[in-house]
Amino acid sequence: DAGITQSPRHKVTETGTPVTLRCHQTENHRYMYWYRQDPGHGLRLIHYSYGVKDTDKGEVSDGYSVSRSKTEDFLLTLESATSSQTSVYFCATRDFATDTQYFGPGTRLTVL
Amino acid sequence: QKEVEQNSGPLSVPEGAIASLNCTYSDRGSQSFFWYRQYSGKSPELIMFIYSNGDKEDGRFTAQLNKASQYVSLLIRDSQPSDSATYLCAVINPPGGGNKLTFGTGTQLKVEL
Repeated sequence: DAGITQSPRHKVTETGTPVTLRCHQTENHRYMYWYRQDPGHGLRLIHYSYGVKDTDKGEVSDGYSVSRSKTEDFLLTLESATSSQTSVYFCATRDFATDTQYFGPGTRLTVL
Repeated sequence: QKEVEQNSGPLSVPEGAIASLNCTYSDRGSQSFFWYRQYSGKSPELIMFIYSNGDKEDGRFTAQLNKASQYVSLLIRDSQPSDSATYLCAVINPPGGGNKLTFGTGTQLKVEL
């Protein structure tokens, strides 16, 4: 698991509310990633970070923002949640030596 | 056009048989290839990675890469019911830009008793 935790693990919220998901790692990996997984679409990259305060967009970044103030923490924020953001969200970190990404346990988010 | 293609399955094999999972990719410059296993309701877990043409073996698993034909496969020998899961193929496209992984939608494997 590369020492990755995500919180909360489950969340139900209402349309229009802000939501923040947290990813915490203990591996001191420089790169961290946020994905969403939906039936028929597989895993899609939302945003990633290549260092403290260094982030970039993925393929489905609209409606999401991220922040990374410490190596170990990577936050994903939905500024105003919509029903289309109902999904399972996974955080991952990258082992630089093997280019391998390891995933956290996931957060199931439901937007009503 | 999807960049990484997998047959969604389900692929059903009897216990003890060889399961063969296939993946094709569109970007000829892709350099690193990964297989993940995902049980229902769980997160993806890495099975193997392969960078060079040919075969790479790890226990009951063998990854095969053919860059000329742009496909990568995963063989599971002596399949067990515990191998029943969705198998995700992932590819790193040309270097740069965070070495982002592009995933296929996965193949569901069912190993039957």
